[in-house]
Amino acid sequence: DVKVTQSSRYLVKRTGEKVFLECVQDMDHENMFWYRQDPGLGLRLIYFSYDVKMKEKGDIPEGYSVSREKKERFSLILESASTNQTSMYLCASSSPEVNIQYFGAGTRLSVL
Amino acid sequence: GNSVTQMEGPVTLSEEAFLTINCTYTATGYPSLFWYVQYPGEGLQLLLKATKADDKGSNKGFEATYRKETTSFHLEKGSVQVSDSAVYFCALSDQTGGFKTIFGAGTRLFVKA
Repeated sequence: DVKVTQSSRYLVKRTGEKVFLECVQDMDHENMFWYRQDPGLGLRLIYFSYDVKMKEKGDIPEGYSVSREKKERFSLILESASTNQTSMYLCASSSPEVNIQYFGAGTRLSVL
Repeated sequence: GNSVTQMEGPVTLSEEAFLTINCTYTATGYPSLFWYVQYPGEGLQLLLKATKADDKGSNKGFEATYRKETTSFHLEKGSVQVSDSAVYFCALSDQTGGFKTIFGAGTRLFVKA
């Protein structure tokens, strides 16, 4: 069974903290994605990566960075967390041939 | 650019009622179309897809037909169950968008027993 695992289901952080969200997939997929999900706004793409050490900005990259040192792992970094980054964060992976996205269960981040 | 518009929710139905969730799209190329479902506390998962005009995707009693002439991909189910309560997302991807998938805002469905 395919699996995308996000390291935490719930996180509570303070304003100004550096936050790491980790995502691991076991499907040998080339492509990986980070989204944030907010009520009424659906899913918005933050960053994606189509290969190791490659990254591309999505629609809302400001305040975020990413790291992909290994094919199976894609990390989202909030350099200095702010309250407007309180959200649900979803990681996904896909293969370019099929382009079906497989999602993790999500990390609900609260920034106080 | 590419975009997806789906009907706003929430949609509330009684068990065994007929379900339609409307979805229309704008795309410059020849997109593949998807419906994803998100159950409470979970990430999204693929429900069904269609890759070309007039294709019908189906799964778990849900169906959607790729209509190029009306740029639509409406989701239907003949008889909903309480267990279908979830958020449903229409989505598209095509080569002009690279590897990206564009998602609609989602429609929450509540099914009452």
